[in-house]
Amino acid sequence: DQQVKQNSPSLSVQEGRISILNCDYTNSMFDYFLWYKKYPAEGPTFLISISSIKDKNEDGRFTVFLNKSAKHLSLHIVPSQPGDSAVYFCAASAIAAGNKLTFGGGTRVLVKP
Amino acid sequence: DAMVIQNPRYQVTQFGKPVTLSCSQTLNHNVMYWYQQKSSQAPKLLFHYYDKDFNNEADTPDNFQSRRPNTSFCFLDIRSPGLGDAAMYLCATSRGLAGAIGGDRETQYFGPGTRLLVL
Repeated sequence: DQQVKQNSPSLSVQEGRISILNCDYTNSMFDYFLWYKKYPAEGPTFLISISSIKDKNEDGRFTVFLNKSAKHLSLHIVPSQPGDSAVYFCAASAIAAGNKLTFGGGTRVLVKP
Repeated sequence: DAMVIQNPRYQVTQFGKPVTLSCSQTLNHNVMYWYQQKSSQAPKLLFHYYDKDFNNEADTPDNFQSRRPNTSFCFLDIRSPGLGDAAMYLCATSRGLAGAIGGDRETQYFGPGTRLLVL
């Protein structure tokens, strides 16, 4: 049973516009959420995170929103750039589980020039 | 640059023939993880080491073993690979497992992965 789901396998967006990636989770014990970015032939790299005591965290062009009641988080990229084309993984962890990450299946983003 | 290195990047093995995948790190991190990622699926944690302490996930098949001879190196051994074990294997490290409610957690740093093909 998938505890972290990314229901959109792919997303295409025009350069300069906003990219919105969504992630849903089922385990109410999760209290920390992360987004990783993965280019082909490379490992995932950490992008941004949010603790469950917050509802928003921003880092430059990247903002993560958390809606705990809906068990939903989203990543906004504004403005989108061609270099943002990659696969984005949502991940969650629970402090009770020792920081182990549970990943979603990923969303492939293509930013068109 | 400090990094997580995985060798080889591509590995071909035969059905039932033992295979070992290698991971090394220059970050001097205490924790090393092995993930399995099948095509278009989420990376799935197989096990991790905190220093020399081995922690196996409950659903990791017995066919998968791991060794960590020192801080820098960690190996994934697949004793009798089946066709279903063909996947990308990702190694990751983190400084620790610590974290506080409401605070940041230790970031995991990933290697580029080894793609395993079983013939």
